[in-house]
Amino acid sequence: GAVVSQHPSRVICKSGTSVKIECRSLDFQATTMFWYRQFPKQSLMLMATSNEGSKATYEQGVEKDKFLINHASLTLSTLTVTSAHPEDSSFYICSANSYNEQFFGPGTRLTVL
Amino acid sequence: RKEVEQDPGPFNVPEGATVAFNCTYSNSASQSFFWYRQDCRKEPKLLMSVYSSGNEDGRFTAQLNRASQYISLLIRDSKLSDSATYLCVVRSDSWGKLQFGAGTQVVVTP
Repeated sequence: GAVVSQHPSRVICKSGTSVKIECRSLDFQATTMFWYRQFPKQSLMLMATSNEGSKATYEQGVEKDKFLINHASLTLSTLTVTSAHPEDSSFYICSANSYNEQFFGPGTRLTVL
Repeated sequence: RKEVEQDPGPFNVPEGATVAFNCTYSNSASQSFFWYRQDCRKEPKLLMSVYSSGNEDGRFTAQLNRASQYISLLIRDSKLSDSATYLCVVRSDSWGKLQFGAGTQVVVTP
């Protein structure tokens, strides 16, 4: 199947700093990528839909100024958590569609101290 | 009400036994249905799509009941490696947005 990578896999940062997470489709082009967040023992929650060359579409309740998404190419989308706080600590996962199947990246575990 | 609801479990299953569980969805316009498997601290991986007529993939059988808005997953001859959280996933639009259930945990014991 198609491969989606994420970097970094784990990040620990101080409160107030910004963290950038990269999502890449390795062997296919993705005009649309999705960013999810998962808290322990909860379901994946869609944060936003990232569209290549245009603005991302954010889900209700997700602050677009706090979670900056850039989809500058057909193989790369980035999520920047700005001024991170402990409550932003979570598992962030991206995904992309290929031939009507959605493939997930391995996730980024963010811990904000 | 959550869009996709699942019994969180855990379902403790002896090795070799059969386990089945359901998931309900609230949007009657939902178009596609999937079961994903998620291991602890890992990303979800597609287990199988769920088709209207029901479908089987080895030891796994999925059923869809549109009238009652639920899907089911049955695992036969459970293996220790089947221990995981099974996520019910529903797609409601053509853009590919997925709605996830919180997952049903299955623990297969020797």
